[in-house]
Amino acid sequence: DAMVIQNPRYQVTQFGKPVTLSCSQTLNHNVMYWYQQKSSQAPKLLFHYYDKDFNNEADTPDNFQSRRPNTSFCFLDIRSPGLGDAAMYLCATSRDRNRPQHFGDGTRLSIL
Amino acid sequence: TQLLEQSPQFLSIQEGENLTVYCNSSSVFSSLQWYRQEPGEGPVLLVTVVTGGEVKKLKRLTFQFGDARKDSSLHITAAQPGDTGLYLCAAFGGTASKLTFGTGTRLQVTL
Repeated sequence: DAMVIQNPRYQVTQFGKPVTLSCSQTLNHNVMYWYQQKSSQAPKLLFHYYDKDFNNEADTPDNFQSRRPNTSFCFLDIRSPGLGDAAMYLCATSRDRNRPQHFGDGTRLSIL
Repeated sequence: TQLLEQSPQFLSIQEGENLTVYCNSSSVFSSLQWYRQEPGEGPVLLVTVVTGGEVKKLKRLTFQFGDARKDSSLHITAAQPGDTGLYLCAAFGGTASKLTFGTGTRLQVTL
């Protein structure tokens, strides 16, 4: 049974049109992460939540924001997607910091 | 920034062959993880190694953590098409909570 669920699996949006990606978890983990992964590259951490505490990576563009309304759900908002934002977006969870992470199957985002 | 270099970057082999993937760094890590990612899916954790010199086996996969905890290797015996995927090493630093991924090794195993 999937424990980290991302919806949708594929998302197409227009240049500049806001888009929201969602992630839910059944593991009751404290930490939730969002990664961006471009073709044949390693995942790049955008930000993470430790419970309700938001931690942004220094090089994450302002265009990317996140919300975590409760333990189970976390959202990635891209305010004005550019062509360079086309990528696979991965959500992950871990019981605590410095613990193994469990990944969802990702949302592949295309920009028209 | 802690950098994890993987080699080779790409590997295409035939079923039944053996292979080794390397993950190297100049930094010391408290632990190191190996993930496999199949096309269209998220990374799946294969193993975590913690102790310098540690060897762990997972069926045909053998993982080793270097004595100095700066490097690791993944050896696959008698590769099968189901082993095809992107192999990523990843590690937390001494006090950092950020998981740093290696540069990745894309493996293709053909019949």
